[in-house]
Amino acid sequence: DADVTQTPRNRITKTGKRIMLECSQTKGHDRMYWYRQDPGLGLQLIYYSFDVKDINKGEISDGYSVSRQAQAKFSLSLESAIPNQTALYFCATSDPGTSRAEQFFGPGTRLTVL
Amino acid sequence: AQKITQTQPGMFVQEKEAVTLDCTYDTSDQSYGLFWYKQPSSGEMIFLIYQGSYDEQNATEGRYSLNFQKARKSANLVISASQLGDSAMYFCAMREQSTGGFKTIFGAGTRLFVKA
Repeated sequence: DADVTQTPRNRITKTGKRIMLECSQTKGHDRMYWYRQDPGLGLQLIYYSFDVKDINKGEISDGYSVSRQAQAKFSLSLESAIPNQTALYFCATSDPGTSRAEQFFGPGTRLTVL
Repeated sequence: AQKITQTQPGMFVQEKEAVTLDCTYDTSDQSYGLFWYKQPSSGEMIFLIYQGSYDEQNATEGRYSLNFQKARKSANLVISASQLGDSAMYFCAMREQSTGGFKTIFGAGTRLFVKA
């Protein structure tokens, strides 16, 4: 089973709808992240959480909110989706206890806002 | 200002040859980490290699090596003996200090095409 899972994998929605993307991990990592990927722009950090009680805004948090329900779960919400939020969204985790603390990514959620 | 710069939007390499993907970074931190990730057409992000700012030797992982030039703030990825399966997007990333811990910033990526 995958260590970092994302649901749904694909979603098509309409402008103005509220959307929630969910992320679960079995790696036992405290740190979790949400990124979006647009063509030609790499990955941009939306929100990150260093533990259940710690939530931080990333580079592009406007229009998004998050909830860290447990160590293993980190959800991203689009309160009122707009077309320019069409992108590939990644959840990731990391373990600060290792020297490199690389990020482990979920498979991504492809979101289309019409 | 961009913190991670990958100046090569696309690169071509002949199968079995070596290729270098460029990455420069900007930070005022003394302690930081540099990463390369691979994204095949299937979309997943795969960790390839890591270099710590205090590591004196260049990192190597199989056919991947990281050419770390600290004074020039560059962290180029070298792939030796390219294979068709190396065709993918490659992202350079930097972990730097942030409020409460570290966060990672990614470059725009380089798309590598391996020719048979």
